[in-house]
Amino acid sequence: QKEVEQDPGPLSVPEGAIVSLNCTYSNSAFQYFMWYRQYSRKGPELLMYTYSSGNKEDGRFTAQVDKSSKYISLFIRDSQPSDSATYLCASSGGYQKVTFGTGTKLQVIP
Amino acid sequence: EAGVAQSPRYKIIEKRQSVAFWCNPISGHATLYWYQQILGQGPKLLIQFQNNGVVDDSQLPKDRFSAERLKGVDSTLKIQPAKLEDSAVYLCASGGAYTEAFFGQGTRLTVV
Repeated sequence: QKEVEQDPGPLSVPEGAIVSLNCTYSNSAFQYFMWYRQYSRKGPELLMYTYSSGNKEDGRFTAQVDKSSKYISLFIRDSQPSDSATYLCASSGGYQKVTFGTGTKLQVIP
Repeated sequence: EAGVAQSPRYKIIEKRQSVAFWCNPISGHATLYWYQQILGQGPKLLIQFQNNGVVDDSQLPKDRFSAERLKGVDSTLKIQPAKLEDSAVYLCASGGAYTEAFFGQGTRLTVV
């Protein structure tokens, strides 16, 4: 079993839709949870960073962590074509390696 | 603030040749990571440095891959000899606080 599992998609939504991206993880030691956005031929860009359980909001983006079910979510409100990218979830237990999911490819159609 | 710099951006080599990649992290970042990203997959950690020391190199194929970080700043990753399956994007990242990692643009390696 991979430590971080993510549906690869692709996920295609119309502009303005609410997007829900999800990951599960298996390592109970994970305390830090991240979402990265990766455009084609670019390096991953840190989007959201949360510690332990709870919600964190930044503009149109909301990250949610439920440690009891080992579930990580990213919600994108009012999705835009510029949001079309691959979204990577990642987890870590601290000053240790960051483990990534395989990424979900999102396409927002105008 | 300058980001993580990597070079070269692209490299094409024949199998069994050697290749080296260079990374300059964000100034002041103690942690430096090298990741391998095969097409369609998430990044896989090859090696993590904390200043000069290696924190984790458990997934580095040590028979052919080597990495160093002299003086706790720049780093080089070398592959010798390269195999076809080494074709991937090699990403360097650096981190300052806890585990946030900031990535460079990556080096796209094609082994033919």
